[in-house]
Amino acid sequence: GAGVSQSPRYKVTKRGQDVALRCDPISGHVSLYWYRQALGQGPEFLTYFNYEAQQDKSGLPNDRFSAERPEGSISTLTIQRTEQRDSAMYRCASSQRLTAGGLVDTQYFGPGTRLTVL
Amino acid sequence: GQSLEQPSEVTAVEGAIVQINCTYQTSGFYGLSWYQQHDGGAPTFLSYNALDGLEETGRFSSFLSRSDSYGYLLLQELQMKDSASYFCAVTETGRRALTFGSGTRLQVQP
Repeated sequence: GAGVSQSPRYKVTKRGQDVALRCDPISGHVSLYWYRQALGQGPEFLTYFNYEAQQDKSGLPNDRFSAERPEGSISTLTIQRTEQRDSAMYRCASSQRLTAGGLVDTQYFGPGTRLTVL
Repeated sequence: GQSLEQPSEVTAVEGAIVQINCTYQTSGFYGLSWYQQHDGGAPTFLSYNALDGLEETGRFSSFLSRSDSYGYLLLQELQMKDSASYFCAVTETGRRALTFGSGTRLQVQP
């Protein structure tokens, strides 16, 4: 079946502009995660949702970053007033089950959106 | 906070066995995951340990020692296609977020 999809795959923007990055998780997956990955580094957690509820946004760097998942499926990560330091690969992941506490369910990653802020 | 340490690079030959170590520091450790990422690709799940011991999945095995805050990924019968970056990642109790290490770049030579 189809995996996690993200759009656009590449986004070049000028400093100060707003950008919206889209994630379409695997059908039926309850949980959705956003990560940011710098070149040569591991993904860095930003936020995650169970259904439409944002459960943890502790990784969002500042209030220019926000995310939503209004219908519990597609999610949008928005970065306002972009800065050059925001340039990175933004990855979305989804997992199938809603589990309690720290129980882990496999996260399936999408291809990412490469954001470049000029 | 959390921190993870893993070697930055490992080189091995086809058919060999390689072990990638990971040590971690976290306040509420729950489990250790391993992900593989080929250049230009997305991270893909390999293995997960929550309890001490060895988990085996085909050519790949993962080990965890909670008392030593240490784990490793063992890759056997190495193939050229195993050349990739390998990340360990911890999950803390009560959180769903994965905290990744900086990754180990494995180069398999003929």
